[in-house]
Amino acid sequence: DSGVTQTPKHLITATGQRVTLRCSPRSGDLSVYWYQQSLDQGLQFLIQYYNGEERAKGNILERFSAQQFPDLHSELNLSSLELGDSALYFCASSVGGLAGFAGELFFGEGSRLTVL
Amino acid sequence: KNQVEQSPQSLIILEGKNCTLQCNYTVSPFSNLRWYKQDTGRGPVSLTIMTFSENTKSNGRYTATLDADTKQSSLHITASQLSDSASYICVVFSGAGSYQLTFGKGTKLSVIP
Repeated sequence: DSGVTQTPKHLITATGQRVTLRCSPRSGDLSVYWYQQSLDQGLQFLIQYYNGEERAKGNILERFSAQQFPDLHSELNLSSLELGDSALYFCASSVGGLAGFAGELFFGEGSRLTVL
Repeated sequence: KNQVEQSPQSLIILEGKNCTLQCNYTVSPFSNLRWYKQDTGRGPVSLTIMTFSENTKSNGRYTATLDADTKQSSLHITASQLSDSASYICVVFSGAGSYQLTFGKGTKLSVIP
């Protein structure tokens, strides 16, 4: 158990819909990262938050947005869903931000999104 | 552009055998390199973290090597077990103003009895 909690574990929805994925980082970790992993593909970095502020942005679509709340949990919002958005979405956390990053990155178990 | 290339894409070995997975990277400036194990449908779990000055690091039956000059790393698995069946992901962190984690696509290892 990494200490990173993601909900829901599985989600099935229709095209055009909107979903929210939730992540609670490990106790004491200030950074949250979101990754997308499509079938048989590598992990694609979406976005990072550090202590409530956006720190880095990857290949995140405009239809996707995220935020980190004062209690440090984070939510990833996916809207106008398309079939191609079906994937595993992972959240990871670390103590610090990426600057001088030498520590561990802890991943949650992922949320599997299926868009029909 | 920072890139991490892993080979082979997939590998099948018999239980009890050894194997070596490769990682080549073009990441600059280099800060550290990590190997993760990802079971199917699960989150990646860290195996090792290696900095510029470290050539070898072990974690049980897993031994990672790093050659910073040639920008290559390998992960050697000794006496493989069925539970080693997973994807192994190489990740390189670049620092000093270009803070970025670059992920390889992984090597899918299948250990068969």
